[in-house]
Amino acid sequence: SQTIHQWPATLVQPVGSPLSLECTVEGTSNPNLYWYRQAAGRGLQLLFYSVGIGQISSEVPQNLSASRPQDRQFILSSKKLLLSDSGFYLCAWSAGSYMNTEAFFGQGTRLTVV
Amino acid sequence: GENVEQHPSTLSVQEGDSAVIKCTYSDSASNYFPWYKQELGKRPQLIIDIRSNVGEKKDQRIAVTLNKTAKHFSLHITETQPEDSAVYFCAGNGGTSYGKLTFGQGTILTVHP
Repeated sequence: SQTIHQWPATLVQPVGSPLSLECTVEGTSNPNLYWYRQAAGRGLQLLFYSVGIGQISSEVPQNLSASRPQDRQFILSSKKLLLSDSGFYLCAWSAGSYMNTEAFFGQGTRLTVV
Repeated sequence: GENVEQHPSTLSVQEGDSAVIKCTYSDSASNYFPWYKQELGKRPQLIIDIRSNVGEKKDQRIAVTLNKTAKHFSLHITETQPEDSAVYFCAGNGGTSYGKLTFGQGTILTVHP
């Protein structure tokens, strides 16, 4: 069966420090991968999605970037964190076929920038 | 792109009552509409979904209806229980095959015993 791993679960970082969140998927190949951010426990905002290795689409301009170095690995990064980057970050995957676009979410990373 | 509006933002019901959450979408190309439940501090999990070739779908106490003409869809929960208390999100895919979902702002459902 397919599983998605996301880490770390919680992270406290100072303003101006770098960020790297990692997500991996097991049990499937060529998944579509997504990074969402959730502020204040509401509203899932799509940040990035990827349909293949090295293919990244950004949905909103921001201080973050994403990379997909391997088929089932998705990384969210920042060179210098801002206070406004605090939130709950969720990685997700879907099979990508036209009739089956359910998204499965990782456990999330609660990021607090101080 | 797709825009999904969800109402109400909060909903409080007594145990045993029904709860209805409504969403509207903007992109007529959307053909997949999932509903997710998120308990406090946890990941969202799919509870039911509907595709544009179907008008209604039921799964025990949960049902979803879709009106493509009006571009709105609704979640119906009957015989609510305290464990139904959570945040519920609707979403639309904008007709893409990438699974790229646009979510509503969420509804905080509280079921009082």
